[in-house]
Amino acid sequence: LAKTTQPISMDSYEGQEVNITCSHNNIATNDYITWYQQFPSQGPRFIIQGYKTKVTNEVASLFIPADRKSSTLSLPRVSLSDTAVYYCLVGEPLSGGYNKLTFGAGTRLAVHP
Amino acid sequence: SQTIHQWPATLVQPVGSPLSLECTVEGTSNPNLYWYRQAAGRGLQLLFYSVGIGQISSEVPQNLSASRPQDRQFILSSKKLLLSDSGFYLCAWSARGGGVTEAFFGQGTRLTVV
Repeated sequence: LAKTTQPISMDSYEGQEVNITCSHNNIATNDYITWYQQFPSQGPRFIIQGYKTKVTNEVASLFIPADRKSSTLSLPRVSLSDTAVYYCLVGEPLSGGYNKLTFGAGTRLAVHP
Repeated sequence: SQTIHQWPATLVQPVGSPLSLECTVEGTSNPNLYWYRQAAGRGLQLLFYSVGIGQISSEVPQNLSASRPQDRQFILSSKKLLLSDSGFYLCAWSARGGGVTEAFFGQGTRLTVV
């Protein structure tokens, strides 16, 4: 089973870059790594997904080392509205190639003025 | 485009009453479907997932059950609610395929059992 480990919480200030690292030592060859953001009383929202090296979109960057046993979500210049819980998710293939999505506890990011 | 509908948004039910939460997906076929629960201040707990009509897998033994009577319909039920069933329930879907981990969530149902 591809489990993930993240810090429980992090604090930052507006304008800073935030890096959240996730460990997934048992990641399988076909697994992708996905990060979600969740605000209170809302469903999680997809942020970014990657398989290896670096992926960047308009919201964040995802760094994945060659061994793929960890990944780092990088949020540039955070604002107060980035205060949320961030989940690292690794796809868990079932028989037939389907996926069972298992979320960990997430990282609670608090951005301060 | 694909959309997911989940209702109701909030629900207050007495202990011992039945429960039925419904989730439907539009704009896609043969999705994987999921029910999650989130207790206050906690992470998401996977309750059930389904890879096809009538195919339900349970992650945590409990007072709840799930059914998938149609390809894009997923129902969460209980015959008798417990206080511990209170929480934020989320339905989600994902496309089939090895390695794909992008899921799309509904707006959730906040259930309070009193």
